[in-house]
Amino acid sequence: EAGVAQSPRYKIIEKRQSVAFWCNPISGHATLYWYQQILGQGPKLLIQFQNNGVVDDSQLPKDRFSAERLKGVDSTLKIQPAKLEDSAVYLCASSLGAGANTGELFFGEGSRLTVL
Amino acid sequence: ILNVEQSPQSLHVQEGDSTNFTCSFPSSNFYALHWYRWETAKSPEALFVMTLNGDEKKKGRISATLNTKEGYSYLYIKGSQPEDSATYLCAFTSGTYKYIFGTGTRLKVLA
Repeated sequence: EAGVAQSPRYKIIEKRQSVAFWCNPISGHATLYWYQQILGQGPKLLIQFQNNGVVDDSQLPKDRFSAERLKGVDSTLKIQPAKLEDSAVYLCASSLGAGANTGELFFGEGSRLTVL
Repeated sequence: ILNVEQSPQSLHVQEGDSTNFTCSFPSSNFYALHWYRWETAKSPEALFVMTLNGDEKKKGRISATLNTKEGYSYLYIKGSQPEDSATYLCAFTSGTYKYIFGTGTRLKVLA
């Protein structure tokens, strides 16, 4: 079974530039998550999709971050314009159920962003 | 604001040593507690999910216990090996559909 795919693995940009990350979840997983993990901190939920609808985006800085999940499968996360404090690993995860909060999250390898 | 704390933040142990870490979480509105292992340059992978007070889970040399009344979970590694070097994350879920992660414990096992 193919895992969660993410790209790019690494990205270096200058502040005020834009960047986009892509995620392809495990086939059949209804729920998709984007997490931001800043060095020394735990992963923080940015946005959670249930199929192609947003369940929770309360911690997404909507003035610069946007995300979409077209057709309830792939998802992209965009940052525009980037700030220095956006340097982090962006993790995509998926899970089977509709908010199955005892269920396992399956993670991608992450996209490491460095903003100079 | 729900807070999940892990301790220690990091530790170094010698190969063959046994070690344990702590995850503290809110004791109210508990639903599940997850442990993940995150090796450098790889995906975080699930170790355990525990839902009942007193749960104990084991996978090889790694085991975990859960106390929901006082809000803590322990992860134990017996006879640490270099391949156990990783960041160990715990995540708490309540009645909502959110996973709240701790800051992780970074383990380095020295050969």
